[in-house]
Amino acid sequence: EAQVTQNPRYLITVTGKKLTVTCSQNMNHEYMSWYRQDPGLGLRQIYYSMNVEVTDKGDVPEGYKVSRKEKRNFPLILESPSPNQTSLYFCASRPYGSNTGELFFGEGSRLTVL
Amino acid sequence: DAKTTQPPSMDCAEGRAANLPCNHSTISGNEYVYWYRQIHSQGPQYIIHGLKNNETNEMASLIITEDRKSSTLILPHATLRDTAVYYCIVRVSTDSWGKLQFGAGTQVVVTP
Repeated sequence: EAQVTQNPRYLITVTGKKLTVTCSQNMNHEYMSWYRQDPGLGLRQIYYSMNVEVTDKGDVPEGYKVSRKEKRNFPLILESPSPNQTSLYFCASRPYGSNTGELFFGEGSRLTVL
Repeated sequence: DAKTTQPPSMDCAEGRAANLPCNHSTISGNEYVYWYRQIHSQGPQYIIHGLKNNETNEMASLIITEDRKSSTLILPHATLRDTAVYYCIVRVSTDSWGKLQFGAGTQVVVTP
């Protein structure tokens, strides 16, 4: 089944404890992206990647890192999480050259930083 | 990318058509209009997209005005499962996606 898989789905952590949210897609998509969602603010893009080893900042990259060493994986790294990073996170992917322009989203990862 | 404006919320009766407006007055000639929806806190789901012609698929219809400054997503027979936040996005082409802004969307509530 074609899908975007995020882990963990739920996480409670404490300030300063490094964590990684993994994202994996099995559709051989070139483009991948991370979003965070907060009440009343819609989806805000954190980082995106056009292909392996190519990443760029979205609108709210502060406090986050990403890497794209393989096509299928695009982990989101919080080196020193803070309470303002408590949010619902979504990973998305799409193929380059798609006629529909459809973005495929994961089910989300709800992160709480105490 | 052109900015979009949507009403924050709207209600619709079950079985009736839901018409969701979106203003994109600064849209340029090569920008497409896309619609996504998000049910509760699930990942957003693609609905439809178009450039200047009206489009229809199994989920919805998209009507784009002749000057392309606004569009309407039509859910022809709304069901309770259509309750969701609907996002209107404009984007150049289907290929060159990098930054992609979603905005706050319209919360649609379908009532029995």
